[in-house]
Amino acid sequence: ETGVTQSPTHLIKTRGQQVTLRCSSQSGHNTVSWYQQALGQGPQFIFQYYREEENGRGNFPPRFSGLQFPNYSSELNVNALELDDSALYLCACCWGVGGGEAFFGQGTRLTVV
Amino acid sequence: DAKTTQPNSMESNEEEPVHLPCNHSTISGTDYIHWYRQLPSQGPEYVIHGLTSNVNNRMASLAIAEDRKSSTLILHRATLRDAAVYYCILRDPGGSQGNLIFGKGTKLSVKP
Repeated sequence: ETGVTQSPTHLIKTRGQQVTLRCSSQSGHNTVSWYQQALGQGPQFIFQYYREEENGRGNFPPRFSGLQFPNYSSELNVNALELDDSALYLCACCWGVGGGEAFFGQGTRLTVV
Repeated sequence: DAKTTQPNSMESNEEEPVHLPCNHSTISGTDYIHWYRQLPSQGPEYVIHGLTSNVNNRMASLAIAEDRKSSTLILHRATLRDAAVYYCILRDPGGSQGNLIFGKGTKLSVKP
């Protein structure tokens, strides 16, 4: 089983606040990636963690940060929230051979007001 | 970054085959071609991937052109549950395994 669980499913924050989103997988895989998906767009890669260290980042500012824990659960933290941060945030894990068959969570819908 | 081009939308009738095209003229020799789909209010779901040869699995078939500059995802009998956005993705050769570069995808509508 490689079910990926994200929490919370929805939340609303005010501009300038900070938010923490969480992700866990049943398989405890050592690689996790985070994506941001704006309405009507495809997901955009934020960063990846491998064995608790960031080892790849997309075009996102430093106020987007993350953590991966020894039990392979992960957090995405966003500081100084902006209205444009409103999006669906997805985590993915458990890459197969050739980078295929990643499993995505259902996502966290963040609304910044 | 390697990029793909897909039609914005397509329509199909239920129980008919669907051919979803993808162009990737800048593909490199080591890029895998991946397909994911995203149903409404869900995260993306893996469909299939391949390198050079055509591939089949329980969900779909992937036909890859001989020059690898295009590919086609084939759903053999569309069902209403196949209505989704389909993404054709080239795995970033210089990035980490997690770096899938999504475009806008093709929104597939299935009519009963």
